[in-house]
Amino acid sequence: EAQVTQNPRYLITVTGKKLTVTCSQNMNHEYMSWYRQDPGLGLRQIYYSMNVEVTDKGDVPEGYKVSRKEKRNFPLILESPSPNQTSLYFCASSLGREAFFGQGTRLTVV
Amino acid sequence: GQQLNQSPQSMFIQEGEDVSMNCTSSSIFNTWLWYKQDPGEGPVLLIALYKAGELTSNGRLTAQFGITRKDSFLNISASIPSDVGIYFCAGPYNQGGKLIFGQGTELSVKP
Repeated sequence: EAQVTQNPRYLITVTGKKLTVTCSQNMNHEYMSWYRQDPGLGLRQIYYSMNVEVTDKGDVPEGYKVSRKEKRNFPLILESPSPNQTSLYFCASSLGREAFFGQGTRLTVV
Repeated sequence: GQQLNQSPQSMFIQEGEDVSMNCTSSSIFNTWLWYKQDPGEGPVLLIALYKAGELTSNGRLTAQFGITRKDSFLNISASIPSDVGIYFCAGPYNQGGKLIFGQGTELSVKP
């Protein structure tokens, strides 16, 4: 089954403790991206990657890092999480103009 | 930058009613996408439109690509409780794959 898998689904952490949210897709898509979703603000792109070893900033990249060492994986790294990064995060992969989303990771930073 | 304005922001309707929502852009798009997000899940693609004037259906859902290429509409006929969720329009920002999303329309259906 074609899918985008994120882990974990839920995460509560403390300010400053580094964390990684993993994302994996099995559709051999070149383009992958991370979004955060906040009430009233819709989906905002954090980072994207057009292929292996090619990443670039989206609209709200501050406080985040990504890497793309393999085509299927695109982890999101928060080196020093802060409460304003409490949000719902989605990974997506796309081929052409249609994006396929993971189930989301609800992150709470206290 | 480019923005998509989606309206209404929320709708509360009775089961069986028809629903209509729309999305407008300040610039031309060559693709319009409509997604639905169920509570606690990721957005799922409902309908993709690739040509100005195109009208496409997916069950009780019908979407249209406006002839000006700056707007799109989504209609849901005879709504049912499982239609509850947030509906997003989206369009490609560039050829690279980035999408821009509308703010979403939250639909509530009363049985």
